Amino acid sequence: DSGVTQTPKHLITATGQRVTLRCSPRSGDLSVYWYQQSLDQGLQFLIQYYNGEERAKGNILERFSAQQFPDLHSELNLSSLELGDSALYFCASSHIPTARTDTQYFGPGTRLTVL
Amino acid sequence: QQPVQSPQAVILREGEDAVINCSSSKALYSVHWYRQKHGEAPVFLMILLKGGEQKGHEKISASFNEKKQQSSLYLTASQLSYSGTYFCGTAVSNSGYALNFGKGTSLLVTP
Repeated sequence: DSGVTQTPKHLITATGQRVTLRCSPRSGDLSVYWYQQSLDQGLQFLIQYYNGEERAKGNILERFSAQQFPDLHSELNLSSLELGDSALYFCASSHIPTARTDTQYFGPGTRLTVL
Repeated sequence: QQPVQSPQAVILREGEDAVINCSSSKALYSVHWYRQKHGEAPVFLMILLKGGEQKGHEKISASFNEKKQQSSLYLTASQLSYSGTYFCGTAVSNSGYALNFGKGTSLLVTP
């Protein structure tokens, strides 16, 4: 158990819908990273927040957005869902703002299925 | 910026050794190795910082050649528990807020 929690574990929805994924980092960690994992692409970095502020952006679609709240939990919002958005979504947390030297601890993931 | 991992997949018998490689076209600051079991979260193995260090973790060790922008993960005397997908994540030297992960190497250890 990494100490990172994610809810829900599974999410099944229809195309065109909007969903929110939630992540709580490990106690004391200020940085939250979101990743998308699909079969053919591996782990794709989406976005990072540190202490409430956006720090880095990866391959995140305009239909996706995220935020980090004062209690440090983070939410990833996915809208106008398409079949191709079906994937495992992981969040990871670390203590410092840069990934270069810090360990990222991954949560158990949310499996999103878009029908 | 996604690093390239090789091989894509490997099958071993218990007790055999394996090497997984990770290479980047960009100058690297650090390389991070993770192992993921099917349906589970990636689990951290080790970080290697530029300076050409080598690290070990029981029978799993890794090296980082910053001149070649390459890292290798060495699994010796493999155990059944080593099965899973291994990912390398790289932080490039001129940025570094996030990691870029390779597509993974699937390792299966059989009895």
